[in-house]
Amino acid sequence: DGGITQSPKYLFRKEGQNVTLSCEQNLNHDAMYWYRQDPGQGLRLIYYSQIVNDFQKGDIAEGYSVSREKKESFPLTVTSAQKNPTAFYLCASSNRNTNTGELFFGEGSRLTVL
Amino acid sequence: AQSVTQLGSHVSVSEGALVLLRCNYSSSVPPYLFWYVQYPNQGLQLLLKYTTGATLVKGINGFEAEFKKSETSFHLTKPSAHMSDAAEYFCAVSAGASNYQLIWGAGTKLIIKP
Repeated sequence: DGGITQSPKYLFRKEGQNVTLSCEQNLNHDAMYWYRQDPGQGLRLIYYSQIVNDFQKGDIAEGYSVSREKKESFPLTVTSAQKNPTAFYLCASSNRNTNTGELFFGEGSRLTVL
Repeated sequence: AQSVTQLGSHVSVSEGALVLLRCNYSSSVPPYLFWYVQYPNQGLQLLLKYTTGATLVKGINGFEAEFKKSETSFHLTKPSAHMSDAAEYFCAVSAGASNYQLIWGAGTKLIIKP
């Protein structure tokens, strides 16, 4: 079945460590996104990519980095520069050509910094 | 700039009662409007969307929403709540065909009382 796979589902990290969250999609979508979700704050956009080898910062990109070397993959690295990284991270994709804003989400990765 | 306001971070209804989740938006262009649902520790799933045409939109799981341009609203309703409807619901707006980055509301957690 087509979909988006995020891994790991749960991750614990010590302060000062970088961690990479994986996101893979087999929907043949051009666009991919990373969101951060905190209780009571909805979704905030970290980075998005409309095409391979290109990506743009979202509203809260500081302390995060991404790459888009393959159409199906959009990993997110949470660096030690991110001051408050404990959160639920959601990856999504969309078919750019439809232009309706409909996103397909993975099941999320919960990062806890100890 | 577009914005989305969801009234009530928590809404509690009895099983079998009407569900009404409120969403108001501001947009300088004709909007595309969305409702997504998120079950605990999972990603988001599209419930329904309004792009053009009929203003009453039917979605999955018996939910529907009505686009009211004069009131800039897109409230979500369901005639009879079920225990399985307990989840968090997010309203989102897209600026139109040229912009598929969504603006998200803060979410409303729906609690179903037995």
